[in-house]
Amino acid sequence: EAGVVQSPRYKIIEKKQPVAFWCNPISGHNTLYWYLQNLGQGPELLIRYENEEAVDDSQLPKDRFSAERLKGVDSTLKIQPAELGDSAVYLCASSTGTGRNADTQYFGPGTRLTVL
Amino acid sequence: LAKTTQPISMDSYEGQEVNITCSHNNIATNDYITWYQQFPSQGPRFIIQGYKTKVTNEVASLFIPADRKSSTLSLPRVSLSDTAVYYCLVGRSVSSGSARQLTFGSGTQLTVLP
Repeated sequence: EAGVVQSPRYKIIEKKQPVAFWCNPISGHNTLYWYLQNLGQGPELLIRYENEEAVDDSQLPKDRFSAERLKGVDSTLKIQPAELGDSAVYLCASSTGTGRNADTQYFGPGTRLTVL
Repeated sequence: LAKTTQPISMDSYEGQEVNITCSHNNIATNDYITWYQQFPSQGPRFIIQGYKTKVTNEVASLFIPADRKSSTLSLPRVSLSDTAVYYCLVGRSVSSGSARQLTFGSGTQLTVLP
């Protein structure tokens, strides 16, 4: 079974430029998460989707960050414009959302963003 | 949010049993305790989850006392490849409805020495 796929793996941009990250969750997983991870820190939740609905986006900086999950499968996280402080690893995870192991999250490898 | 406290780092030797304790004093009645492992340049990987007493799987055991204010991840006979960051999370299962946000914290860097 394929795991969570993220692309690109690495991205280098200049500040004020836009950037987008893509995530394909495990097939059949209803719940999708986007996290931000700074060096030496644990992942911080940005947004959680249940199917196509964003049910928890309280930590998403909405002035520059946006996300979508059309059709409840793939998801895109966008930053516009990027700032120096956005340099981090952006992780996507998915879980079934139902049943015994509803919230066991499976993570992708992440996208490492460097803003110059 | 259920705040967790873990040691920043631990060292061990190959073949030893390692116990990592996590404190979560304000855990709620419906909260589960979950542990993840993370290697450099990879996303976290689920290790084990429990609610009370003891849970064991093929890679680890999780001990939770009656008051549930702490939990201990036990790794039997560690090897060099167990060197990683280990995170303790406390939160409500999403299947129960309005899940509380799962907070990772800074984790424990385990270094296994030869």
